[in-house]
Amino acid sequence: DAKTTQPTSMDCAEGRAANLPCNHSTISGNEYVYWYRQIHSQGPQYIIHGLKNNETNEMASLIITEDRKSSTLILPHATLRDTAVYYCIVSPGNAGNMLTFGGGTRLMVKP
Amino acid sequence: SQTIHQWPATLVQPVGSPLSLECTVEGTSNPNLYWYRQAAGRGLQLLFYSVGIGQISSEVPQNLSASRPQDRQFILSSKKLLLSDSGFYLCAWRPGQINTGELFFGEGSRLTVL
Repeated sequence: DAKTTQPTSMDCAEGRAANLPCNHSTISGNEYVYWYRQIHSQGPQYIIHGLKNNETNEMASLIITEDRKSSTLILPHATLRDTAVYYCIVSPGNAGNMLTFGGGTRLMVKP
Repeated sequence: SQTIHQWPATLVQPVGSPLSLECTVEGTSNPNLYWYRQAAGRGLQLLFYSVGIGQISSEVPQNLSASRPQDRQFILSSKKLLLSDSGFYLCAWRPGQINTGELFFGEGSRLTVL
C-alpha cells in the first residue's frame, strides 16, 4: 500500500469547517483514498472514499487533487462529537485487500 | 442487516496465560475478516486477515494465532501471553465479493496482561 502523511493533530472551532489534509504522493492508479475516524475507545468508523472525483456524503466531503497526490477531508460544520483520530488510507479497490492504518490526525473540536 | 460482535469486552490476564477472543458476524456470508491491535496511544496494527474458512494470513509474526472454523467466526488466540500483548483488539469485516469501501469494526476487546 502507498504511504500517507497526515498532521499529528489539529484544532477546530465548533461550528466551523474542519479541513484535514493527507499527502499520498506515491499513490498508484488503482488505489482509492479512504477516510476513517476513531472516537476514543471505539472501533474505527468509515467516513468516505474516492478514486479521483470529489465525493460527498452525509458525513463529509472528500476533495482529491487532480494529480491524486493529496486529498482533503472536509467536515462542513464540526461539532464536539467530531473530536476523534482521523485516518487517511490508500489501498487498491479489489475486494480482497486489507486496509493499513497509520497514525492519523487527532482532531480536537473546541467550543 | 449485518452486525459484528466480539467478546469479551475487557479482560485482565496474567503473563503466560492463554487467550481466546471471539468474533462473529451476522447477516452476511463469506466475509473478509480481520484482527487489528491498538497499543495504548498508538495506531491500528493489522494482525491477521482471512478471505475464507481455514484461510488465515498473518501480517506480523508474534505469539498470537488466528483461526476461522466457520464462515462468520474469527478467533484470536495465544498459548502464553506476554506483557506486550496488552492492547485494544478489534475485529472487522468487509464483503468478500465486492468492495464497498467500508470496513465494519466490532466494539473491541481491551486486554491487560499483568
